[in-house]
Amino acid sequence: GAVVSQHPSRVICKSGTSVKIECRSLDFQATTMFWYRQFPKQSLMLMATSNEGSKATYEQGVEKDKFLINHASLTLSTLTVTSAHPEDSSFYICSARPTGDTQYFGPGTRLTVL
Amino acid sequence: AQSVAQPEDQVNVAEGNPLTVKCTYSVSGNPYLFWYVQYPNRGLQFLLKYITGDNLVKGSYGFEAEFNKSQTSFHLKKPSALVSDSALYFCAVRDLDNNNDMRFGAGTRLTVKP
Repeated sequence: GAVVSQHPSRVICKSGTSVKIECRSLDFQATTMFWYRQFPKQSLMLMATSNEGSKATYEQGVEKDKFLINHASLTLSTLTVTSAHPEDSSFYICSARPTGDTQYFGPGTRLTVL
Repeated sequence: AQSVAQPEDQVNVAEGNPLTVKCTYSVSGNPYLFWYVQYPNRGLQFLLKYITGDNLVKGSYGFEAEFNKSQTSFHLKKPSALVSDSALYFCAVRDLDNNNDMRFGAGTRLTVKP
């Protein structure tokens, strides 16, 4: 149990386009979902925390207008990278948390912006 | 595909005593290993990582971890636990040779009692 999926696992897009990444909790309801970004050979960086039905809380330095997060249901959160640029190329990981403390992570999405 | 196991859901230690949080991994290539900590209502925080070099890695807050290739382990340790170390700890692995996505363990809750 407690499986979190992300789709797509890899995406390549052109500069200036927008990309949507989905994060789903497959067998539990997630009251809170997190989005992380990982740069090559570096640790995860928390981008934002989203609670179902409310606006996401962004970490300092993360542009909320560029990284749009929607958590419309208890099993789905989406991250949309708007007007993507090559510097947005990275590995994006979501995690989901039901009631309680345990957090379950998705496998990640590798974004490459050409 | 790589995988990570944290065999203990919970570890309880007394303040001042040494602590160990266990992690074993499985990869087909060379591993890239991480430990993260999560405090209540916070995202993951990076503790330390192993890529190559010395098997004993030192990280934040006095934590260290020893990479043991023969046992495929990367246990997290601290010589003297503090009450403030109480948190949720995640081990993660990435297969460098195959550039696979990162996989995290389910987490171990560490409770340090005064």
